[in-house]
Formats: sequence, C-alpha cells, structure tokens
Amino acid sequence: EDQVTQSPEALRLQEGESSSLNCSYTVSGLRGLFWYRQDPGKGPEFLFTLYSAGEEKEKERLKATLTKKESFLHITAPKPEDSATYLCAVPKAGNNRKLIWGLGTSLAVNP
Amino acid sequence: SQTIHQWPATLVQPVGSPLSLECTVEGTSNPNLYWYRQAAGRGLQLLFYSVGIGQISSEVPQNLSASRPQDRQFILSSKKLLLSDSGFYLCAWSPDPRTEAFFGQGTRLTVV
Repeated sequence: EDQVTQSPEALRLQEGESSSLNCSYTVSGLRGLFWYRQDPGKGPEFLFTLYSAGEEKEKERLKATLTKKESFLHITAPKPEDSATYLCAVPKAGNNRKLIWGLGTSLAVNP
Repeated sequence: SQTIHQWPATLVQPVGSPLSLECTVEGTSNPNLYWYRQAAGRGLQLLFYSVGIGQISSEVPQNLSASRPQDRQFILSSKKLLLSDSGFYLCAWSPDPRTEAFFGQGTRLTVV
C-alpha cells in the first residue's frame, strides 16, 4: 500500500541548532516528492519538488534531499520564523493527481 | 504571476444548511484544480479534482459535491451539512498533474 511517514511528529530546537526532518515513502515508481510548509490556520506553502534519487534543492536555511526510500529536509541554523509544520507528499502509483500526504512534522524554534 | 483566492476564511453553519465555498485562480489558464480537506491527525484528504470545465472527479464518497462552471473557478457545495463535514477546506491548483500544487489560504468550516 502506498504510504508516507514523517518523523519526528514534533521537534523543538533552539535558534541556531541544526537538524533534519524525515519523510519515508513506500510507492512504486516514484514520480516526484513534494515538501510544503504550513503555518497555523493557513494553506500549505510549496517549498521543493524532488524527482530522482540523489537530487538536492536548497532555499535559504532549508535543503531537501532524496534517496530511493526517503527524503530529508535539513534545517541549518534555524530561526524562530522557521517554526511551522512541514509536510511531504508523493503521487499515488497510477494516479498523478492523487497525492499521498504525510501527517507532518511540527517544528518549534525557540529564540 | 498566478494567485489563488479562496473564501470565506471562516464559516459557522448549522447542521442541515447548504454550503458553497468558492475558489478562483488568476494568471493562468486551464489549471488542474483540487479540493482538499484537512482534519487534525489525519493529514490532507483529496476530495475532488478537475482537469477542465465541467470535468469533476470525486475521490471520496460523501455529502459534498464540486463544480467547475468556468476555467478558473472551482466550487465546493453541499445541500445539507453534517457535523462530520467540519474541517479545514483547501483549494489548490497545478499547471500539470505531475508538478507541485499551490494552495489557497483555506476555509475553516464549523458545523454546529
């Protein structure tokens, strides 16, 4: 069964303390993996798309990487404004329009 | 640039009342459009998607329906709301089903 699992569920960091969030997936024939950031009461904001193992993308303090079974979102020297829930999603096998979503990692960065 | 508008931001409706949520996209043509519901602890659930005017695919049997009367307009409706329809509803669009989707700000629906 297609599945996306994110860990940890919640993470609390001190400002400047780097860490990584994990998104593991079981779907045959991966056709992309998407990372989003969601602030409370808001819609998800697109961050990255990764298509193939070994691919990396960066944006400010965030870097996303992809292997054949999982993706990592590395946060370097986070700031309080990086506090949010981070979601990942992959297209369901055989149906590009249906994404399988993880439950997210809730990140809190303390000043 | 493309923008997506979704309204209202919050809505409190009594059980049995009708519902109409509207979403419009600007700055693009023939977008793929989606309605999602997000419930606490359950992640995002795809409700409907549309690849063109009048073309609606339903992912989950439920008390809701969707329509696309114009190229960049997507409407989520219900004739009679249930308590279980409460949740955070999100509209999204993508230029291609293989690419990332962009979300509106969401509607918090509370059915009382």
